[in-house]
Parts: sequence; structure tokens; C-alpha cells
Amino acid sequence: DQQVKQNSPSLSVQEGRISILNCDYTNSMFDYFLWYKKYPAEGPTFLISISSIKDKNEDGRFTVFLNKSAKHLSLHIVPSQPGDSAVYFCAADLTGANSKLTFGKGITLSVRP
Amino acid sequence: DAGVTQSPTHLIKTRGQQVTLRCSPKSGHDTVSWYQQALGQGPQFIFQYYEEEERQRGNFPDRFSGHQFPNYSSELNVNALLLGDSALYLCASTLFWDRLNQPQHFGDGTRLSIL
Repeated sequence: DQQVKQNSPSLSVQEGRISILNCDYTNSMFDYFLWYKKYPAEGPTFLISISSIKDKNEDGRFTVFLNKSAKHLSLHIVPSQPGDSAVYFCAADLTGANSKLTFGKGITLSVRP
Repeated sequence: DAGVTQSPTHLIKTRGQQVTLRCSPKSGHDTVSWYQQALGQGPQFIFQYYEEEERQRGNFPDRFSGHQFPNYSSELNVNALLLGDSALYLCASTLFWDRLNQPQHFGDGTRLSIL
């Protein structure tokens, strides 16, 4: 039972344009969400997070939107850069205590120069 | 500021053997979690250690066990290895009493291959 779903396995975007990565979840008890980026042969690197009491959080080029009624969140990267090419994982936590993350399968983002 | 370090980087074992993986948390962190990432999948939570005790556990059999030492470093032990245990094993650390402001930091993982 996949509680966090990233249904699109890959995304290709032109440099300078917006990248939109989507994530859906089924467990309504999730209340803290995170995005991680992973390059080959490296561990996941934290990007941005959002608590369920918010619907938007921004950090530089990265913005995460949360729609609790739809159980959907998205990561927007503007503008996209070739260095953003990586696998992006959406993760969720039940207690908001960042203790037992449930991950999606990841989306491979390719940013074309 | 040292990040999360894991050893070894790669490991090859045969079915039935036992393996021990090691992790040192990020400086200042006291809580260690272990994840298994199979090919094409996202990381899956194995268990978490704080104050040398297992605090939470995911859906993994008892063949998977762990330990945390007084210096906060941790070991993951897997007994009676199966082919399906082949995966990337990731260690993550955080600060127990400030988890909301301390997202988990991950190491680069140990790639375990079972022949």
C-alpha cells in the first residue's frame, strides 16, 4: 500500500522554465511533508518542508504547495537550472516530529540547457 | 561541520551470511534512523534509535536489528541474508528535541549486494 505516490516517474524541462513535481498521499494523518533531492551515488539532500497548518512555503527558487483537501502537494522550481537535474523524493511524517518518514518512489527531473 | 558518514560504501555478501553497517550522525545530532532503498523505490523506514534504544520500527523482520552507542553512532545488523536484501542502506540523523526544525540529514549510504 503506497501511502505517498509520485505517479510521474520522470519530467523533462527547458532551462529557465518552471518545473512542477507532484505528489499525492492517502493517509490523512500525515501532517508534515518534505522534499529531498538525490544525485547518483549520494544520499538524499533536504530541500524544503511544509507543515499541514500552511498551504505554501517558499525558499529561494523552491516553493511547495499543499492542498490538504485533495491530499496533494507540489514542488515548483523557478527558474529551472541544469544543476537541478536529479531524483526528487516526496516524504511525509505522521506526527510532525520528523521521525518516521514515508517516501514516494521519486521523480527524475532532467533540465535541458 | 561533519555530516552523516556511513561505512562501508559497498559490500558484497552471499545468502545466509550476516552483515553489519555503520553510521556516525551529523555533529550535534543524537537520533539515528535507518532506511532501505531498493532499486527504483523510495527509501523505506527500518527503525530509529535515540538514547541507545529503538524508538520506532518499520515493517521489517527481526533479522534486522540495530544498536546505538553512547557517542550516538549506530550499527545496522542483518542476519540470514536473502537476495531481496540487496539494496542501498541509508542512515539519517536529527536532533530528538528539535526535530521539527532539524530535517533528517542523510548519509551517502552503503550499497549491499547479495549473491
